Amino acid sequence: AQKVTQAQTEISVVEKEDVTLDCVYETRDTTYYLFWYKQPPSGELVFLIRRNSFDEQNEISGRYSWNFQKSTSSFNFTITASQVVDSAVYFCALSDWWALCFNKFYFGSGTKLNVKP
Amino acid sequence: DAGVIQSPRHEVTEMGQEVTLRCKPISGHNSLFWYRQTMMRGLELLIYFNNNVPIDDSGMPEDRFSAKMPNASFSTLKIQPSEPRDSAVYFCASSRPGTGQGEQFFGPGTRLTVL
Repeated sequence: AQKVTQAQTEISVVEKEDVTLDCVYETRDTTYYLFWYKQPPSGELVFLIRRNSFDEQNEISGRYSWNFQKSTSSFNFTITASQVVDSAVYFCALSDWWALCFNKFYFGSGTKLNVKP
Repeated sequence: DAGVIQSPRHEVTEMGQEVTLRCKPISGHNSLFWYRQTMMRGLELLIYFNNNVPIDDSGMPEDRFSAKMPNASFSTLKIQPSEPRDSAVYFCASSRPGTGQGEQFFGPGTRLTVL
């Protein structure tokens, strides 16, 4: 069965702190995609990153970085030097081989990040 | 390019009334998804279509909910009769499976309040 777990319900940090959001997934397939989305207070869901199961290279985009480890079935997201504008709910999602035919996602429950000035 | 378009953005109705939510996917996207988001249950997938055909409606909570996709550029989610517990934000998303891209693009959502 496919499942995405985001154990951290809510995290609060002070601006400029680094913060890591955890994502653990379950799938029996060897081919799958992982995603992160951001939902700011305005409500829309914004795509951040896609990673396929064959590419375990970590990715960095500005202050954002992602650590994909198949050995632990984790796809963690780190924000360096957090800013107030990073305050949002962050969702991790999985799309596995069958679901890829339709791009069906399995979403985690989300982690609410509060960045205080 | 226009993103996913949803209407209305806000809907307030009274219990028992029929509610119709509308979605226009991104042109060229052939998968369409309806989600519901509440504080209690998070983001739930209600139903999704591929090439206008419903693939899986197991997430539809009750027979009061129905969804259609009469053509590639339009879909509706209908609730009849509506109940206060249907109050939520309803998102529509679209994607192009098989392209290796995979991401779903979300609309701005419809905030539904049933009094």
